[in-house]
Order: sequence, then C-alpha cells, then structure tokens
Amino acid sequence: QQQVKQSPQSLIVQKGGISIINCAYENTAFDYFPWYQQFPGKGPALLIAIRPDVSEKKEGRFTISFNKSAKQFSLHIMDSQPGDSATYFCAASHQPGTASKLTFGTGTRLQVTL
Amino acid sequence: NAGVMQNPRHLVRRRGQEARLRCSPMKGHSHVYWYRQLPEEGLKFMVYLQKENIIDESGMPKERFSAEFPKEGPSILRIQQVVRGDSAAYFCASSPRTNTGELFFGEGSRLTVL
Repeated sequence: QQQVKQSPQSLIVQKGGISIINCAYENTAFDYFPWYQQFPGKGPALLIAIRPDVSEKKEGRFTISFNKSAKQFSLHIMDSQPGDSATYFCAASHQPGTASKLTFGTGTRLQVTL
Repeated sequence: NAGVMQNPRHLVRRRGQEARLRCSPMKGHSHVYWYRQLPEEGLKFMVYLQKENIIDESGMPKERFSAEFPKEGPSILRIQQVVRGDSAAYFCASSPRTNTGELFFGEGSRLTVL
C-alpha cells in the first residue's frame, strides 16, 4: 500500500530531446506528489510537485502529468540539457497534519548526451 | 541562510563500533526526518522527530538504531554495533512548522562499515 513504483531505472536522451519518467502508486490516501533531483554526492532537492486537484503542472522545462484514476504520474523534461543529467526520484505522501513523510520511488538515472 | 547541515559527511567504522550522525535543520524548522539510501536504491524513511519527541519511527530497525532531537542541539542518529549492511548514505531532511509538503535535505552522511 505504501509503495511507489518508478520506471525506467535509467534513461539516455539526446540533448534537446524529451525525457519522460513514470511513477505509479497504490495508496489512494496520498495527496502530495513531488519530484526530487539528486546529483552525485549531493542530497535530493525538490524540483516540482503536484496535488491531485490538478492534472498537470508546468514549471519552465519541467511538467508533471497526473492521472488520479490510474494512480499514475509522470515527469516530462522538455529540451533536455546535459546539466539535467542526474537521478530523479518521484515521491508521495499523505499529509493529515504537519508531517511531510515521503515515500520515494527507486529513482531514474538520466543521462543527457550531446 | 544555511541549509540542512549534516556531519560527518563521511564516516568509516569497523564492525561492532558505534556510529553517530548529526543533523542541524534549517533555521526555523522544527521537524526532522532521517532517510537511508542504499547503493542504487531510493530513499527509505527511517524516523520523524520534532523537538524532544519521536513522532514516527516506523522505518527504524528494531535493534541497534536510535534517534533523538533534543531541545538544544542537533538531531542525532545513533547506530550501535554496526554491521556491513549498515553501509549506506544517511540523509536528514527538515521542514517548517507550517506544512508546505517540501522537505529540505542535507548532503548526507556516508557510512562505510569495514
């Protein structure tokens, strides 16, 4: 019930291409869905997040698409750049109060080639 | 405006020794979370603390692991009698009292058990 499944495990995209990473969840109580970006040797940093009252959120080149009925959400990186090469984690949480306990997917290692 | 500070960044211990990892949350943040990241895996929730209280320790191993967040000073994750399987990156995150959902992560402490 608490799992978040993420795919693919790794992804190679050419510069300028679109990177797409998918996640699926089981717990229908989840109400917050962030994506985190992690560079080697660093901690994860929030990239973009969505709540289930909207189906899409866009910030610059990054877009989250959310399908509540299918319990799936995805990250699209438009015009991918070499600087986007990192590991991306989707996550989900249920926030009844002040807690922000996140359940993470297993990560996608993105490599953007020239 | 310092971020989440973790130390040490790297720690080497022999089997049977104790490891102590420290985390100072961002200024103004009163909630602290510890996560463990094994090689090539996602982040696994361990424990959630507020000042002087453990709120959720559902991800903590039942033995050898403990955490505290005293009224004064950093949060500490303590691992007694370490084994090779404890080798991992341990990340601390903090969030403010007003819950926005976002967790702010430190750069992690990388424990190697010989």
